Parts: sequence; structure tokens; C-alpha cells
Amino acid sequence: RKEVEQDPGPFNVPEGATVAFNCTYSNSASQSFFWYRQDCRKEPKLLMSVYSSGNEDGRFTAQLNRASQYISLLIRDSKLSDSATYLCVPSSGGSYIPTFGRGTSLIVHP
Amino acid sequence: DAGITQSPRHKVTETGTPVTLRCHQTENHRYMYWYRQDPGHGLRLIHYSYGVKDTDKGEVSDGYSVSRSKTEDFLLTLESATSSQTSVYFCAISEESVGLSSYNEQFFGPGTRLTVL
Repeated sequence: RKEVEQDPGPFNVPEGATVAFNCTYSNSASQSFFWYRQDCRKEPKLLMSVYSSGNEDGRFTAQLNRASQYISLLIRDSKLSDSATYLCVPSSGGSYIPTFGRGTSLIVHP
Repeated sequence: DAGITQSPRHKVTETGTPVTLRCHQTENHRYMYWYRQDPGHGLRLIHYSYGVKDTDKGEVSDGYSVSRSKTEDFLLTLESATSSQTSVYFCAISEESVGLSSYNEQFFGPGTRLTVL
């Protein structure tokens, strides 16, 4: 099993839709999780950190399921500007070397 | 935005030539990383540094070397560039971890697009 697995998509959704991505991880010792957003041909930027069961920031909600070892990202009321690739990063359980998922591509259309 | 720059931003070179990419930070962060990003592979770690003159290999280190003589600079060298090293290279920095997480947020540079002909 890969350390981090994400559905590459793309997820094509209309403006205003709610969309969710999942990320599964193999290291049960992972304590914290991060979602990064990467726009086309740009660098990744942190979207959200998750240290407990979940986190919410405006239209974005991240939920952690430790028993099943996955973390989800929910985007409500999608905007055109949400179109990007979303990268999942579990902490490496004692290491400062992160493991990035390959990302999930989201396309929001009018 | 974190103060992290990369140079050059674009480079075209020929197979067999040496290439050095520079990452410069003004944040005084301890950790620095070099990644490459290719379609279908995501971000892959090449080398990282946990302090001045302290570096280690990542998952795709073959054909690359690094040096960190100052906190603010992390150099990536392709000793003899090959076409398989055509990629986008990102530098990242992060602070000493604290609290629950052994990993702090990474800040990325704008990337260098390298083409090896």
C-alpha cells in the first residue's frame, strides 16, 4: 500500500456544488495532516492543517478518520477560483520529512 | 508570503552539462528541501537539509548533490544533466517543529523549470 493515496480526478463540478476528496494514508503513527492547494504551474500553498478529528475554515472542512486511516476535504459552494490540485500530506510520525500525495485535480465550471 | 526565492526560474541546458539551482530564504528556517515535480508523480523529495552543512538524501537523489554553507542558501547541483532530469524543481523551507506535530508547514519557492536537451 502506498504511503499516501489520492484519487487524481479530475473532479468536474459546477459552481455552487459541494465536492469532497479523500486521502488514505498507511502510517498509523501519523499525528497531523495537511492539505495544500496547488494552482497550475505554481507552487503548493497550505490550505488547512488538521491535528485532531477535523478542522473547518469557511467553505472548507477537513475530517480525519483514524480508524480507517483517511482524511477528507469538503468544499462547499464551489467557486471558479477553487479550481486547483489539492495535495494531502500526513506527518511522518516522528520525522520532519513529509510525504505528499499525488494530488486530486478539481475543475469548477460555470 | 514567506521569503523564499529560487534562481534561475527557467533554464535550458544540454545533456552532460553541470547545472546548479539556488534556493534562498530570508526566514531563518532550519529545514530546507528540494523537490522535483513531474506529471503522474507528484512531488518527490530529492535532498533535504536540517541545518548548515547537515544534509540527507530523499527518495530520488541519484544524479543530484546539495550543499548548505549558510542558513539562507541551499544549492542543488546536477553534476551531469540528463534528459530525465527535465522537470520543475521546488525548494521548500520549514521551521523547527513544535507541539503535536513533528512536521511544520512548508513554504515553497516559485519553482525552477529545467529543460535538458
